[in-house]
Amino acid sequence: SQQGEEDPQALSIQEGENATMNCSYKTSINNLQWYRQNSGRGLVHLILIRSNEREKHSGRLRVTLDTSKKSSSLLITASRAADTASYFCATVTSGGSYIPTFGRGTSLIVHP
Amino acid sequence: KAGVTQTPRYLIKTRGQQVTLSCSPISGHRSVSWYQQTPGQGLQFLFEYFSETQRNKGNFPGRFSGRQFSNSRSEMNVSTLELGDSALYLCASSGAGTTTGNTIYFGEGSWLTVV
Repeated sequence: SQQGEEDPQALSIQEGENATMNCSYKTSINNLQWYRQNSGRGLVHLILIRSNEREKHSGRLRVTLDTSKKSSSLLITASRAADTASYFCATVTSGGSYIPTFGRGTSLIVHP
Repeated sequence: KAGVTQTPRYLIKTRGQQVTLSCSPISGHRSVSWYQQTPGQGLQFLFEYFSETQRNKGNFPGRFSGRQFSNSRSEMNVSTLELGDSALYLCASSGAGTTTGNTIYFGEGSWLTVV
């Protein structure tokens, strides 16, 4: 079963625009992670944010976490065609298994 | 250092057959997890091995099994294949596996088609 649910399911933008993806989850978490998957390939870890953190940055990526709303967002600034991929959030619940549970992902298409 | 290596990358099997997939984790990583990815169900956790012991298991039937060797390499086996087993099978490794903040690293996956 999915713990995190990404929104929107699909996003289409032009190169240079910003892309925002959201993730909502149901139970308390220890941390939340974002991954990228290029078509038919493995997942690549992007950022991990812990439950006591509110924001993290990595290059053009910015992740926020609002534990009161049980939601996270991933912002990609100045997007490029190479950012075209599916993006997944994965949650690790508090007090339970440390195995991350993945959402169904947001499919991002960046048009050149 | 080398990433997670999965073999084979692509394979086609017939219903009723069995299949074995292999995963070599990143050197020094002792935790290996397996996931099944399908368009309908997304990424589903199969099981996780650490030091040759299965530590966590997802909700899959007993036809799905795995093992880990002393060098941390892992195999998963699916017996009596069904059409619904067609999927991308992903292996992931991490350092200790006991810390919730550990990053997991995925291989490129094995594409299984059951006909």
